[in-house]
Amino acid sequence: AQKITQTQPGMFVQEKEAVTLDCTYDTSDQSYGLFWYKQPSSGEMIFLIYQGSYDEQNATEGRYSLNFQKARKSANLVISASQLGDSAMYFCAMRVWAAGSYQLTFGKGTKLSVIP
Amino acid sequence: NAGVTQTPKFQVLKTGQSMTLQCAQDMNHEYMSWYRQDPGMGLRLIHYSVGAGITDQGEVPNGYNVSRSTTEDFPLRLLSAAPSQTSVYFCASRGGGAGNQPQHFGDGTRLSIL
Repeated sequence: AQKITQTQPGMFVQEKEAVTLDCTYDTSDQSYGLFWYKQPSSGEMIFLIYQGSYDEQNATEGRYSLNFQKARKSANLVISASQLGDSAMYFCAMRVWAAGSYQLTFGKGTKLSVIP
Repeated sequence: NAGVTQTPKFQVLKTGQSMTLQCAQDMNHEYMSWYRQDPGMGLRLIHYSVGAGITDQGEVPNGYNVSRSTTEDFPLRLLSAAPSQTSVYFCASRGGGAGNQPQHFGDGTRLSIL
């Protein structure tokens, strides 16, 4: 079974500063992918970034980057130059490529608040 | 672009009532899923489908039924609503092929069972 742990229920960051949201995962599979989603107060789930287990470089998407440390089984999300609109819940999720496994396992999320 | 459409957005039911949450996607995606989101619990998988006519259970399937008669539609049925089913329900879809394709989520259905 897969498990995602997000140890920070809530985080505060000053506007324009960088922030790291932690995510650790547990799986015995070698082939898997890690996803980060943002959920603003309006409720929709927005895909941010993806990292594959065999990707040699850390993923980046605009102000989002993923600090992937495979040996430590961590996939932390880094948001640079925080904006007020970044205030939201952030979920880390994992999918393994094993036969018959198609779905995402989610962590419990981290609530990020950006302070002006 | 419609993407994944869920209806209704809000619903209040009485204990014991049944209802169907609708989900439709217009991206010709093979995979569709239903999740529920409870406070402090993240999203948990209820049921999923890998194609028309094929469904399977997720982590929390009890009290729910699904069917997939077409590629586009994946309704979720509550057979006899219970207060424990009060939650926000999300439908999601993704295409086949490379596993790095993200799931696309609907806007959710807020369901309250009295």
